[in-house]
Amino acid sequence: QLQLQESGPGLVKPSETLSLICAVSGGSISSNLYYWGWIRQPPGKGLEWIGGISYTGNTYYKSSLKSRVTISADTSKNEFSLKLTSMTAADAAVYYCGTGQHLDYFDYWGQGTLVTVSA
Amino acid sequence: QSVLTQPPSASGTPGQRVTISCSGSSSNIGTNYVYWYRQLPGTAPRLVIYRNNERPSGVPDRFSGSKSGTSASLAISGPRSEDEADYYCAAWDGSLSAVIFGGGTKLTVL
Repeated sequence: QLQLQESGPGLVKPSETLSLICAVSGGSISSNLYYWGWIRQPPGKGLEWIGGISYTGNTYYKSSLKSRVTISADTSKNEFSLKLTSMTAADAAVYYCGTGQHLDYFDYWGQGTLVTVSA
Repeated sequence: QSVLTQPPSASGTPGQRVTISCSGSSSNIGTNYVYWYRQLPGTAPRLVIYRNNERPSGVPDRFSGSKSGTSASLAISGPRSEDEADYYCAAWDGSLSAVIFGGGTKLTVL
């Protein structure tokens, strides 16, 4: 059974870059069975897809975030990461990593990590 | 505002069948699969329906999904207190080239 665990800073200053890692266990991120993605949820609000990466390394980003987002994979560590630049208060959210057999859904999720943006 | 439209709330008793709707367009629901997630308070979402009407292993058969044209529905037959949660529909949008979510529906079991 796949297990995902997010890690990263809980507090980021405005204009700085958020870096999060999703550690994967119970399966290989280089497996051709899965796509890997990031989703966020502002406090009290709904879910927002940020983007994803395929087992071939192809990346897919939400258009409104594309200029600020980078998703990459480290097969040696069996983890994938999210970098989001120029953070503002609007980026404060619980960030989840997830995986599914296709890019358009997630059947395994991490527990989520809360990111606050404040000076 | 979400591209997929859901009612903000729904309610029902354990003896009823509760339905949550999700309305989209030809670029998303009309041409792609619909997925449904359940999110209990303080926890990560869990997939309860995939590819319009399939149930993942471990999801009770009281959950069912359907799709017609540019709309989809999640039905819960005989909801239990543990089904009180937020429910989100989702689909790929070909025009946006993105996964899109509905705004979520809060289910109350009376």
